[in-house]
Amino acid sequence: GAVVSQHPSRVICKSGTSVKIECRSLDFQATTMFWYRQFPKKSLMLMATSNEGSKATYEQGVEKDKFLINHASLTLSTLTVTSAHPEDSSFYICSARWASDVGGEQFFGPGTRLTVL
Amino acid sequence: AQSVAQPEDQVNVAEGNPLTVKCTYSVSGNPYLFWYVQYPNRGLQFLLKYITGDNLVKGSYGFEAEFNKSQTSFHLKKPSALVSDSALYFCAVRDWGTNAGKSTFGDGTTLTVKP
Repeated sequence: GAVVSQHPSRVICKSGTSVKIECRSLDFQATTMFWYRQFPKKSLMLMATSNEGSKATYEQGVEKDKFLINHASLTLSTLTVTSAHPEDSSFYICSARWASDVGGEQFFGPGTRLTVL
Repeated sequence: AQSVAQPEDQVNVAEGNPLTVKCTYSVSGNPYLFWYVQYPNRGLQFLLKYITGDNLVKGSYGFEAEFNKSQTSFHLKKPSALVSDSALYFCAVRDWGTNAGKSTFGDGTTLTVKP
């Protein structure tokens, strides 16, 4: 199956700093990538849909100026948490789907554990 | 609009017994349906999907699911559970023609298989 990588797997930062998370599709082209946040009680919250070469589409209630998403190529999307605060601590997961495979499954990265002190 | 319900937060079964993890969905049109599994501190892994055709879908690790249109259900099943099946399971739905290709995920069901 297709492989999606995420880096870093774990990051600890101080309040007020910015953190960048990278998501790469290693062996396929992903015109669409998704960013999720997973809460301790396990549910997945879709934050935004990232399309290569265009602006991301954010879900209602997600601050686009705080969670900056860039999808510069068919294999790379980045999420930058700006001016992070302790309440941003969470498990962030990216996902990608094969280009033009409307019925296809999503391939998920291993996730990034963010802890803001 | 599309939605998914996983009515059971937790399912416990003994090793060797059959298991069922329930999922019901709601879409305006026709659904794409998926099951994913998540092991601790890991991303989700694809198990199986229903797109069209045979209502019984077989997937990875011996899992299968049956699409039931009249009951709008897509329950995940396995004839004989293994301890290693213990994980968090998510059902997801995507409407064929709407919602910009986004899937909606259920809240997840924690499966615990005891030896």
